[in-house]
Amino acid sequence: SQTIHQWPATLVQPVGSPLSLECTVEGTSNPNLYWYRQAAGRGLQLLFYSVGIGQISSEVPQNLSASRPQDRQFILSSKKLLLSDSGFYLCAWSKRTYEQYFGPGTRLTVT
Amino acid sequence: GQQVMQIPQYQHVQEGEDFTTYCNSSTTLSNIQWYKQRPGGHPVFLIQLVKSGEVKKQKRLTFQFGEAKKNSSLHITATQTTDVGTYFCARRREYGNKLVFGAGTILRVKS
Repeated sequence: SQTIHQWPATLVQPVGSPLSLECTVEGTSNPNLYWYRQAAGRGLQLLFYSVGIGQISSEVPQNLSASRPQDRQFILSSKKLLLSDSGFYLCAWSKRTYEQYFGPGTRLTVT
Repeated sequence: GQQVMQIPQYQHVQEGEDFTTYCNSSTTLSNIQWYKQRPGGHPVFLIQLVKSGEVKKQKRLTFQFGEAKKNSSLHITATQTTDVGTYFCARRREYGNKLVFGAGTILRVKS
């Protein structure tokens, strides 16, 4: 069966510090991968989307970037965090049937 | 555009009462998906509807897709405290494997 992992689960970072969140998927190959941000417990905003290694589509201009160095690894990064980057970051994967399966998420607080 | 509108935004019911959330689109949907997110958790895929007028049931949950494929509903019969959470509908974008999520309906159940 497929599983998706995200770490860390929670993170508190000062403004201006870098960020690296990692997501890995097991039990499937060549998945579509997604990064979402959820603010205030409502609404899922798609940040990045990837159909394969090195292929990243950015949905909104922002302070974040994403990379996919391996088939089942998706990384969300920032060089300098802003207060507005606080939120719940969710990684998800999908295959051809389009339903998405989410990881447990990372709660980021920028102070 | 491709947005989906969910109503109500919030509902507080007595345990044992029924609950319905609606998802509406101004354009025809190729399919509609429903997700549930428990408080503090991540969204979990519930179901996908693709056919006009389709009705699917999962125990106390009934999902419907409108005849015109522009709206959908999720009905919970005799709510239980385990039903609390936010229910999201999502539509597939016209191109690619991305989803557009509704803002969600928050359900609270009083015991």
